[in-house]
Amino acid sequence: KAGVTQTPRYLIKTRGQQVTLSCSPISGHRSVSWYQQTPGQGLQFLFEYFSETQRNKGNFPGRFSGRQFSNSRSEMNVSTLELGDSALYLCASKFEGTDTQYFGPGTRLTVL
Amino acid sequence: QKEVEQDPGPLSVPEGAIVSLNCTYSNSAFQYFMWYRQYSRKGPELLMYTYSSGNKEDGRFTAQVDKSSKYISLFIRDSQPSDSATYLCAMRGRDDKIIFGKGTRLHILP
Repeated sequence: KAGVTQTPRYLIKTRGQQVTLSCSPISGHRSVSWYQQTPGQGLQFLFEYFSETQRNKGNFPGRFSGRQFSNSRSEMNVSTLELGDSALYLCASKFEGTDTQYFGPGTRLTVL
Repeated sequence: QKEVEQDPGPLSVPEGAIVSLNCTYSNSAFQYFMWYRQYSRKGPELLMYTYSSGNKEDGRFTAQVDKSSKYISLFIRDSQPSDSATYLCAMRGRDDKIIFGKGTRLHILP
């Protein structure tokens, strides 16, 4: 069974630009969560989507948004990039009703 | 006070030693406790999880939860160089949000 995939793996952007990251969950998983990981703050929850609806949200500004498609694939978008948005963005999926999340390898975003 | 505190390390121990990794937390509503392992350039992978106080064993790994002290531990017996990674504790409360510790970097020296 294929794992969670994320594209692209690496991305370099400049301040003020916007970026879209993609996540394909494990087949059959309809819950997709996004996290930001930085050395200073660790792994922080951004949001969770289930059946195309945002079900839970962390404490991030509105520049961070996401969506989920009918095939459970998810995208997250960050607008007006800031230097502090440089991080590893991780996506995780799980079966509904279970607690075990499976993480993808992440997208390393560098903002210059 | 942060909800979850975890010593970032690095922690270096010789091969074969017993490793003890720890987290403390402040939110008594946390019900579900997890340990993840993250290798360099990879996403975290779930190692162990538990809902209750006490010990849970899986091979060389033992997860321990003490809800009265708000303290969780992961023990690794007979540590191997392949155990070198960052270990993250994580906890979930009734709101379903998962809070992670910042992770402890572990080096097992051959």
